[in-house]
Amino acid sequence: DTGVSQDPRHKITKRGQNVTFRCDPISEHNRLYWYRQTLGQGPEFLTYFQNEAQLEKSRLLSDRFSAERPKGSFSTLEIQRTEQGDSAMYLCASSVGLDFDEQFFGPGTRLTVL
Amino acid sequence: AQTVTQSQPEMSVQEAETVTLSCTYDTSENNYYLFWYKQPPSRQMILVIRQEAYKQQNATENRFSVNFQKAAKSFSLKISDSQLGDTAMYFCAFQVYKLSFGAGTTVTVRA
Repeated sequence: DTGVSQDPRHKITKRGQNVTFRCDPISEHNRLYWYRQTLGQGPEFLTYFQNEAQLEKSRLLSDRFSAERPKGSFSTLEIQRTEQGDSAMYLCASSVGLDFDEQFFGPGTRLTVL
Repeated sequence: AQTVTQSQPEMSVQEAETVTLSCTYDTSENNYYLFWYKQPPSRQMILVIRQEAYKQQNATENRFSVNFQKAAKSFSLKISDSQLGDTAMYFCAFQVYKLSFGAGTTVTVRA
């Protein structure tokens, strides 16, 4: 399968714990995006990378959130000191590299914070 | 900032019939793309159809077509000959580089 993959697919954690999600984009896609989707809502933009450079962070991304794409391939999204309000589906998407290129989505990581 | 509004939380349609989903958006950008994405239950988001803002001709993909009214900032999706597999959440989205999504419309196709 050459699509976008995300790991884990589901994560249940207790409030206050740290969690890390991984996204593997389509090979040779230079852009990688993270979105968050709460139940019954549309996804909201969190951040994106052009190769290894993080170009924008949404104000939704508090200082408890950090994202990396160290070698311009896979990306990680870490949430420190999780809160119940962090419960959501975290979606990753990748595109070739231009602003209007189609974004291909992964299956998402569903986070539940107890 | 861009906002996308989908005013229909839920729509139900009989198999083989036609349903139209509405979407309006607000932006000061002149160059952008518009999309409709489909998200089946517990499955990932897939692109249904895209429309370049500079093109006046409405996009069509098989049974899916759009009515793009740039001046009115309106972008509706028509699903013709609805099939059971069309049952999903449909999101309207606006792209300059990142995507801005509407809240979605749940479409249920009845047998």
